[in-house]
Amino acid sequence: GAGVSQSPSNKVTEKGKDVELRCDPISGHTALYWYRQRLGQGLEFLIYFQGNSAPDKSGLPSDRFSAERTGESVSTLTIQRTQQEDSAVYLCASSLVPYEQYFGPGTRLTVT
Amino acid sequence: AQSVTQLGSHVSVSEGALVLLRCNYSSSVPPYLFWYVQYPNQGLQLLLKYTSAATLVKGINGFEAEFKKSETSFHLTKPSAHMSDAAEYFCAVSDLGLSGGYNKLIFGAGTRLAVHP
Repeated sequence: GAGVSQSPSNKVTEKGKDVELRCDPISGHTALYWYRQRLGQGLEFLIYFQGNSAPDKSGLPSDRFSAERTGESVSTLTIQRTQQEDSAVYLCASSLVPYEQYFGPGTRLTVT
Repeated sequence: AQSVTQLGSHVSVSEGALVLLRCNYSSSVPPYLFWYVQYPNQGLQLLLKYTSAATLVKGINGFEAEFKKSETSFHLTKPSAHMSDAAEYFCAVSDLGLSGGYNKLIFGAGTRLAVHP
């Protein structure tokens, strides 16, 4: 079946501009996660959605970062006034059971 | 809070040799532990997981890992390396979320495995 998809696959933006990253989870998966992977580093948790519960935003690095999810479908991660340190691969994952996350291919964001 | 340490950011082995990638964790609760593999320009793929059943866990592509509570370790092994195993490997522990249930993953920094002929 279809896996997690993310768009765009690559995004180059100028410092100070806003960007929106999209994640389409696996159909039926109630949980959705966003992670950030900086070059040469492991993944950092950003935000977690579970059904209609309040999202766990504890990993968002600043108030320039926000994310939305409508029901159990698509999620968008928005970064406002991008900075060069925001350059990274942004990975989305979805799961049906909490300990089995399926990852998308990621969006590579480059801020110039 | 949970954390993961992967010893060795780069490991190089010969084709056919034993692969050993080390992972130690800290957790205040019984952990769920995972190994993921990331091939170049691809997303993460789950290799195997430990969820408090058998301590020796077998995964895909001939990999296995053993949960050792006394050593707080979850090392990944494969008896014979293949060229196609060259990738980055991430160990992760599942952290408790705000509601108390397991959810987000805490990742180690990763180990890049090189396999040479």
